[in-house]
Amino acid sequence: AQKVTQAQTEISVVEKEDVTLDCVYETRDTTYYLFWYKQPPSGELVFLIRRNSFDEQNEISGRYSWNFQKSTSSFNFTITASQVVDSAVYFCALSERYGNNRLAFGKGNQVVVIP
Amino acid sequence: DAGVTQSPTHLIKTRGQQVTLRCSPKSGHDTVSWYQQALGQGPQFIFQYYEEEERQRGNFPDRFSGHQFPNYSSELNVNALLLGDSALYLCASSLQRDTLSEQYFGPGTRLTVT
Repeated sequence: AQKVTQAQTEISVVEKEDVTLDCVYETRDTTYYLFWYKQPPSGELVFLIRRNSFDEQNEISGRYSWNFQKSTSSFNFTITASQVVDSAVYFCALSERYGNNRLAFGKGNQVVVIP
Repeated sequence: DAGVTQSPTHLIKTRGQQVTLRCSPKSGHDTVSWYQQALGQGPQFIFQYYEEEERQRGNFPDRFSGHQFPNYSSELNVNALLLGDSALYLCASSLQRDTLSEQYFGPGTRLTVT
């Protein structure tokens, strides 16, 4: 069964600091997709990034970057130079076999950016 | 390009009642998934509809049922409501043949059971 663990609950940072969110996953499939979603107070989940199990290349997209390591089943996410608008709950999620398959979410990380 | 829409935004029901929530997928999408998000928790997968049939189901009782219409919109029905059904219900849409794509989420329906 697929499982996603996000250990930290609430993280507070001062504006312009970097914040890294940890995610550990479990799956028996060799093909899977990992996602990070952002949930602002409005409640809507906003897609941020996606990675599939065949591509461990780490990338940077604007102020977002991620570190995908299959050896440790981790998919960590970093926001560089945080801004107040980054305050939200961030979820790591996993889907097996296909990117548009059912998602298993972690419990989320509440990020508070202090001006 | 219209995104995923859900109605109503908020709903208050009494224990034992029945409720119907509605979702219209993003334009061009043909698959709808429903998730339940309890306060302080991550969303939990309820079921997914494609071609008007339930294709996948999570660990939810039969009190939770759904429907998909020919225009791809969907309904989530919950019977015999329990206090524990109070949650944010999220609808997500995707395109079945685009297996690399992510799911797009709507703003959710906040259900309160008293």
